[in-house]
Amino acid sequence: QKEVEQNSGPLSVPEGAIASLNCTYSDRGSQSFFWYRQYSGKSPELIMSIYSNGDKEDGRFTAQLNKASQYVSLLIRDSQPSDSATYLCAVKGRLGNEKLTFGTGTRLTIIP
Amino acid sequence: DVKVTQSSRYLVKRTGEKVFLECVQDMDHENMFWYRQDPGLGLRLIYFSYDVKMKEKGDIPEGYSVSREKKERFSLILESASTNQTSMYLCASSNGGEKLFFGSGTQLSVL
Repeated sequence: QKEVEQNSGPLSVPEGAIASLNCTYSDRGSQSFFWYRQYSGKSPELIMSIYSNGDKEDGRFTAQLNKASQYVSLLIRDSQPSDSATYLCAVKGRLGNEKLTFGTGTRLTIIP
Repeated sequence: DVKVTQSSRYLVKRTGEKVFLECVQDMDHENMFWYRQDPGLGLRLIYFSYDVKMKEKGDIPEGYSVSREKKERFSLILESASTNQTSMYLCASSNGGEKLFFGSGTQLSVL
């Protein structure tokens, strides 16, 4: 079982709709969860972080965490063509472990 | 502005060559990381360092070594390059916090 799993996509969403990206992780002791966005040919950049169960909103982005189900998701409201990118879920292990493990990423395309 | 600089954007090497990939950060960060990124496999951690002269193996350290003689510089070494090490190599740094700052990457081709 992979440590961090994502559906590779591609995921196509019409402009203005909600894009939903999902991620599961295997280490129940994981403490911190992140979403990185990577445009084609560019490096990943952090867009959201979440540490406790529930929702965290930042503009059009909402991260959701359910530790009991070992599940984290990213919702993008009012999707724009500029949101087309690969979204990487990343999980940090137990306290004192600086290692960040990435999923394989979901490729999202917003259709105008 | 925050900056992580990788010495080469593209690199072509021959099988068996010793290859050095250099990474420099100007943020006085404690932690530095080397990842490789391959289609369908995502980002995989090769090595990381949380202090000068300290290093920890990541998930795929075989065939690689690292050097961190100064805080700002973290080098990845391919002792004897092989074709299966053809990949995009990404360096990153952080200051014990959660955000990784990535360099622009080095696309290495081993022929």
